[in-house]
Amino acid sequence: NAGVTQTPKFQVLKTGQSMTLQCAQDMNHEYMSWYRQDPGMGLRLIHYSVGAGITDQGEVPNGYNVSRSTTEDFPLRLLSAAPSQTSVYFCASSYSANSATYEQYFGPGTRLTVT
Amino acid sequence: KQEVTQIPAALSVPEGENLVLNCSFTDSAIYNLQWFRQDPGKGLTSLLLIQSSQREQTSGRLNASLDKSSGRSTLYIAASQPGDSATYLCAVYSGGGADGLTFGKGTHLIIQP
Repeated sequence: NAGVTQTPKFQVLKTGQSMTLQCAQDMNHEYMSWYRQDPGMGLRLIHYSVGAGITDQGEVPNGYNVSRSTTEDFPLRLLSAAPSQTSVYFCASSYSANSATYEQYFGPGTRLTVT
Repeated sequence: KQEVTQIPAALSVPEGENLVLNCSFTDSAIYNLQWFRQDPGKGLTSLLLIQSSQREQTSGRLNASLDKSSGRSTLYIAASQPGDSATYLCAVYSGGGADGLTFGKGTHLIIQP
């Protein structure tokens, strides 16, 4: 298993540009989520999905869209990039959102800089 | 709202020492607690998961305990090695997916050779 994969690893955008961060998992996990990590703020939840076709907002959703058309993929779209979106983005997955048994696995991250 | 605090924020010890990292959380209604390791510029590696009904979990030189009623967890690292140098993150999960994992800000650990 490749686990949780993310592309690209690094990206530089200009203010106002849009882009999609890709996330995929090959573990048949139901629950997927996106976090951003900022110095001094820790990791914060952006959006999450409890299954294909189901998505919802986390703590910091503004400026981001998600969709989940398949179990495997959960892309994060930046609609109009702003310097405040400069961060490291992590995708995570777990077998179920409703069990204490299953740990969450994280991808390697995408380091995004918006100028 | 759940809050997670990790103490100390940074720790530097000589190789070979046993050490304890602390994590506290404000809401005891959790499904589980996970300890992660993060190396500079890298992703998060899961170290241990403790379910809310469990008191401790062990993996090699690592032992994590959970006292849900008092909102505390500790990560014990035995016989520390330079390769243990990293940031250690504690995160709690309250179920349902909506809040995701609530993370502490981490303990930055340096093991001196």
